[in-house]
Amino acid sequence: DQQVKQNSPSLSVQEGRISILNCDYTNSMFDYFLWYKKYPAEGPTFLISISSIKDKNEDGRFTVFLNKSAKHLSLHIVPSQPGDSAVYFCAASDKGNTPLVFGKGTRLSVIA
Amino acid sequence: EPEVTQTPSHQVTQMGQEVILRCVPISNHLYFYWYRQILGQKVEFLVSFYNNEISEKSEIFDDQFSVERPDGSNFTLKIRSTKLEDSAMYFCASSVSQINEKLFFGSGTQLSVL
Repeated sequence: DQQVKQNSPSLSVQEGRISILNCDYTNSMFDYFLWYKKYPAEGPTFLISISSIKDKNEDGRFTVFLNKSAKHLSLHIVPSQPGDSAVYFCAASDKGNTPLVFGKGTRLSVIA
Repeated sequence: EPEVTQTPSHQVTQMGQEVILRCVPISNHLYFYWYRQILGQKVEFLVSFYNNEISEKSEIFDDQFSVERPDGSNFTLKIRSTKLEDSAMYFCASSVSQINEKLFFGSGTQLSVL
């Protein structure tokens, strides 16, 4: 039962271009969404979040878009840099009442 | 920047043996969690802990698993009799609060059950 789905296991992007990572969810009770980044041999680190009352949140090169009607969110990285190469996890929760539910992750490779 | 620390980074054990995974959460955090990731799978929730008791646990967290905060700093996960399918990366995490709060993760313990 995958409540949070990241259907692309990997993505390759040229340095300087836009990276778009996608995430779909099935639980309509989810109202808080986060993106985590994970480097090898490290734990996931928080990147950016968005509450369901918003449809966009921006932090520097990172922007998260939320489409509640489609139960879809995406992470945009512009411009992409080689240091962005990592596994990106989408996560969601229900008003903090439930633990974070993670997707399987998307491995982003930014090619110089 | 404060961080969650986990020891050991790697643990190899024989099936049926007990293992204890250790974590030191960030000092002013009140909520503690264990997650695990089997190779190639999603990060799965195991258990959350607050005020010295389990606040929530998943179906994975059966009687073979237990958690403890033996002192003011450590948070441990014990697996009483390990099975092959317990092989995974185990992540400890902590947060200041529960509501819409980001979790801070440790770098994980890779558990290999032979």
